[in-house]
Amino acid sequence: SAVISQKPSRDICQRGTSLTIQCQVDSQVTMMFWYRQQPGQSLTLIATANQGSEATYESGFVIDKFPISRPNLTFSTLTVSNMSPEDSSIYLCSASPGQGSTGELFFGEGSRLTVL
Amino acid sequence: EDKVVQSPLSLVVHEGDTVTLNCSYEVTNFRSLLWYKQEKKAPTFLFMLTSSGIEKKSGRLSSILDKKELFSILNITATQTGDSAVYLCAVGGGSEKLVFGKGTKLTVNP
Repeated sequence: SAVISQKPSRDICQRGTSLTIQCQVDSQVTMMFWYRQQPGQSLTLIATANQGSEATYESGFVIDKFPISRPNLTFSTLTVSNMSPEDSSIYLCSASPGQGSTGELFFGEGSRLTVL
Repeated sequence: EDKVVQSPLSLVVHEGDTVTLNCSYEVTNFRSLLWYKQEKKAPTFLFMLTSSGIEKKSGRLSSILDKKELFSILNITATQTGDSAVYLCAVGGGSEKLVFGKGTKLTVNP
């Protein structure tokens, strides 16, 4: 299994500002992902964080809005840029120790962002 | 486009009841189906299913997959208030990502 630490766990942000969420895994993992969960909704994949290269974004998500870094096999960051109230969500980091993303996914505790 | 549909969306039962949660899917090149329990923020892993007809059990929880009919069920027997949570179904396919359903919100009343 993998233990994933995320911070901040929650934050209240002003419109137009940016916030970076950090995700630390206690072991080296192959795949890391960032999900968003808007109020009352399920998890939506934002992007796959690729080690040493640019992240792979899902439809509807762009690098300018959600820049992602993954400098090594245990750490990743997600920045939510130029925030608006619509960005108020829980952002979840996840990791898969195995090949691809079809193995068991472990999740961090999530970061609850409220944008005023 | 890959799709996962869960039903019911919400369910209220009394302690001791047995519940069945449903998950149907449409996915290209199916690889696996996973069940998660989400109580506060982080979903916690319950089961991963890859083969039809093989039941996975963990205590009062069990799950089975039907790859011909493209669905899975999650059973919880003798429910307890601690089972109250959102249960998420996710499917992995050819695109190598997990697609999640909207979840079933289970409330177990004493």
